[in-house]
Amino acid sequence: EVQLVESGGGLVQPGRSLKLSCVASGFTFSNYGMNWIRQAPGKGLEWVAYISSGSSYIYYAETVKGRFTISRDNAKNTLYLQMTSLRSEDTALYYCARGTTEGIVFAYWGQGTLVTVSS
Amino acid sequence: DIVMTQSPSSLAVSAGETVTINCKSSQSLLSSGNQKNYLAWYQQKPGQSPKLLIYLASTRESGVPDRFIGSGSGTDFTLTISSVQAEDLADYYCQQHYSYPTFGAGTKLELK
Repeated sequence: EVQLVESGGGLVQPGRSLKLSCVASGFTFSNYGMNWIRQAPGKGLEWVAYISSGSSYIYYAETVKGRFTISRDNAKNTLYLQMTSLRSEDTALYYCARGTTEGIVFAYWGQGTLVTVSS
Repeated sequence: DIVMTQSPSSLAVSAGETVTINCKSSQSLLSSGNQKNYLAWYQQKPGQSPKLLIYLASTRESGVPDRFIGSGSGTDFTLTISSVQAEDLADYYCQQHYSYPTFGAGTKLELK
């Protein structure tokens, strides 16, 4: 069974940093592209970042480019999101999601970790 | 960015009805190379993570009931739910996977 378990969320002040993790199990992590997607409270879905299976290709949404860094450790089956210069508009539930072979489609999702940016 | 416009934003239905949710993209999602449309649909129930229903516009994900039907091509797409059941009450999102992914704003399916 595919499982994705996010952690690292919490309350953080504007301008500070936070690092999220996502531990994967139930599939060969190193074979799949991975993503972070967020959902602000009561709002819709926003894709944040993508990393290919071997980390060769990395893409970001314009709203986080230059502030967030996606990375992965295939030996540890773990996906990361380093977030810096956080803003109130970054407040959201952050999901990690596994891709498929048909482009950036999100076949499996974790339960999410909540990031709240507030003073 | 490709902008995805979903309609309606909410829909009240009775069990057993057939419902249609529309999604329009600001540019074509049809690849000229392989004639595939890069459009996906997700279902999100309250308090749960989204679930992939359909990708490539009409390919049902494994385990998804066949009452969920995706159709359309180019810039106009539809999710049809035949004989709606109480368990189908949820938010539905379209997403293009032609380029950097973007989602529609969602459609809330409610009980009449």
